[in-house]
Amino acid sequence: AQTVTQSQPEMSVQEAETVTLSCTYDTSESDYYLFWYKQPPSRQMILVIRQEAYKQQNATENRFSVNFQKAAKSFSLKISDSQLGDAAMYFCAYRIPLKTSYDKVIFGPGTSLSVIP
Amino acid sequence: DGGITQSPKYLFRKEGQNVTLSCEQNLNHDAMYWYRQDPGQGLRLIYYSQIVNDFQKGDIAEGYSVSREKKESFPLTVTSAQKNPTAFYLCASSRLGTGIYGYTFGSGTRLTVV
Repeated sequence: AQTVTQSQPEMSVQEAETVTLSCTYDTSESDYYLFWYKQPPSRQMILVIRQEAYKQQNATENRFSVNFQKAAKSFSLKISDSQLGDAAMYFCAYRIPLKTSYDKVIFGPGTSLSVIP
Repeated sequence: DGGITQSPKYLFRKEGQNVTLSCEQNLNHDAMYWYRQDPGQGLRLIYYSQIVNDFQKGDIAEGYSVSREKKESFPLTVTSAQKNPTAFYLCASSRLGTGIYGYTFGSGTRLTVV
């Protein structure tokens, strides 16, 4: 069964500094997708960044980038120049393409990020 | 603007009562999902539907029921059989055919048993 692990329940970062959130996953699939979602105190889930497993190039979205290591099944999120608005719960997630009727996104337990002014 | 609307934002349930959480989307997405969120446990899948009039149980379906009579709507009923229903409930939708789009989420419903 596919699982997603986030080993850091809580992290903190100074404003303007860089922080990296860790994520590992377990799968026997070769083709899949990975995501990072952000959930601020409003509890609205927001898609931060996504990565296709067949692409070797790491995805970037402005201050957010990932380090995707397929062989190690690792998908970490780096936030550069941290801002107060980055304070949130971050969820790593995994999805397989629709090959059967079973298609869903599997979420990790989350990492709570605090930003210190 | 396209999106997912969940209502109500807050809901209170008395012991032994059934309550229904609404989820409506105007994104023309085929698939819809219900997740439950508890502190420290991330998101757990309750039910999902990929087509009208069809739905599948997720990991924690006991005590819940759903219907999918219209593509746009996927209401969740929390029945009296659900022994610990106090939680935050999130509805999501997605395109099918490719996984790259991920989910679009509603803003959630906070259910409390009183």
